Amino acid sequence: GNSVTQMEGPVTLSEEAFLTINCTYTATGYPSLFWYVQYPGEGLQLLLKATKADDKGSNKGFEATYRKETTSFHLEKGSVQVSDSAVYFCALPRGSTLGRLYFGRGTQLTVWP
Amino acid sequence: EPEVTQTPSHQVTQMGQEVILRCVPISNHLYFYWYRQILGQKVEFLVSFYNNEISEKSEIFDDQFSVERPDGSNFTLKIRSTKLEDSAMYFCASSEEIVAIGELFFGEGSRLTVL
Repeated sequence: GNSVTQMEGPVTLSEEAFLTINCTYTATGYPSLFWYVQYPGEGLQLLLKATKADDKGSNKGFEATYRKETTSFHLEKGSVQVSDSAVYFCALPRGSTLGRLYFGRGTQLTVWP
Repeated sequence: EPEVTQTPSHQVTQMGQEVILRCVPISNHLYFYWYRQILGQKVEFLVSFYNNEISEKSEIFDDQFSVERPDGSNFTLKIRSTKLEDSAMYFCASSEEIVAIGELFFGEGSRLTVL
């Protein structure tokens, strides 16, 4: 079935630094790709998504481009803030079944002022 | 903003006891899910539910687990006889569309500790 591999964390950055969190996927066809974020003490929430190859998802200054050539969906932000400290998960639907997302292991991001 | 709510936020139970975790999905959503996250590990799919029946379940969701939508608003996960390895954060989620198109809305989770 479909899967993602996400870079290991934790990642520690200073405020205003550039962020990249790598995610590569293995999939049949071109399923939608997602980044979810989990802030401390909260549930997961969708950060951004891309529904087809070459799409760019963006939200809150974060971006990720669905690249079929490199089977990647790396998350980037040009200037991180302390409030971006959270765990970030790359995800995609598992095969053709409905509602079943496969999540990466998560990358803990800590941003220091 | 509508949200998914879960209760309890934390439950401690003895091994072998039954546990029911409750969820109120977003009211106009049609698809419901349970996921779990063992501490330090991946978020794992347990089950999806649509039109009053299970539409998909993972290998984790064995006979000890069951789900129910007892009325128009609640969605419950029951573990009949808890084991130590059931200790995890359990997340309920709902969606308006199939996940390939839409997004999942997650609750804040119920932490289950089995002693």
